[in-house]
Amino acid sequence: GEDVEQSLFLSVREGDSSVINCTYTDSSSTYLYWYKQEPGAGLQLLTYIFSNMDMKQDQRLTVLLNKKDKHLSLRIADTQTGDSAIYFCAAKLSGGYQKVTFGIGTKLQVIP
Amino acid sequence: NAGVTQTPKFRVLKTGQSMTLLCAQDMNHEYMYWYRQDPGMGLRLIHYSVGEGTTAKGEVPDGYNVSRLKKQNFLLGLESAAPSQTSVYFCASTTTGAGNQPQHFGDGTRLSIL
Repeated sequence: GEDVEQSLFLSVREGDSSVINCTYTDSSSTYLYWYKQEPGAGLQLLTYIFSNMDMKQDQRLTVLLNKKDKHLSLRIADTQTGDSAIYFCAAKLSGGYQKVTFGIGTKLQVIP
Repeated sequence: NAGVTQTPKFRVLKTGQSMTLLCAQDMNHEYMYWYRQDPGMGLRLIHYSVGEGTTAKGEVPDGYNVSRLKKQNFLLGLESAAPSQTSVYFCASTTTGAGNQPQHFGDGTRLSIL
């Protein structure tokens, strides 16, 4: 089955760019998602990318997809303290009941 | 617009007790899901439903039962709670199985089994 891997922790200074990386194993993954989880809250969808795209930009967020290497990254420009949270990468395989596999989450710490 | 609402938000149970977690969505979504979140393990799918009156097993269904009697509600039951079921439980919903309809999550239920 699909496996999604992420590093556990990232620390950046306020104003710098953050890059959170993710790898997945199943090349038939069709959609890849980034979710944000703040303390005590549920997962909030940040953005997603379809597998036939290389890049997607949405304000301060840039998603890069390297389908050959099965590597996904989320870049947050001008990182703010409010960006401190856990970021989950997730991959959807084609078909079925929208089976989505989540990574374990990367905790982003923004230092003022 | 409430989205996905989970009740209760917190609960402490003793081993062997039973309880039901309620998930309600007001977005007319067909698909609903129950996940559990444990440290270092990400989210794991417990059960899901593709429409009113249907349910199916996910990755970790043992010890749980579900029901979807109404389209807007998805109930997760623990018949005899065990300490291994201490976790944060998330409900999610989506319109269809299409990938461009990502899942919407509730805020979670934090459950401790003593």
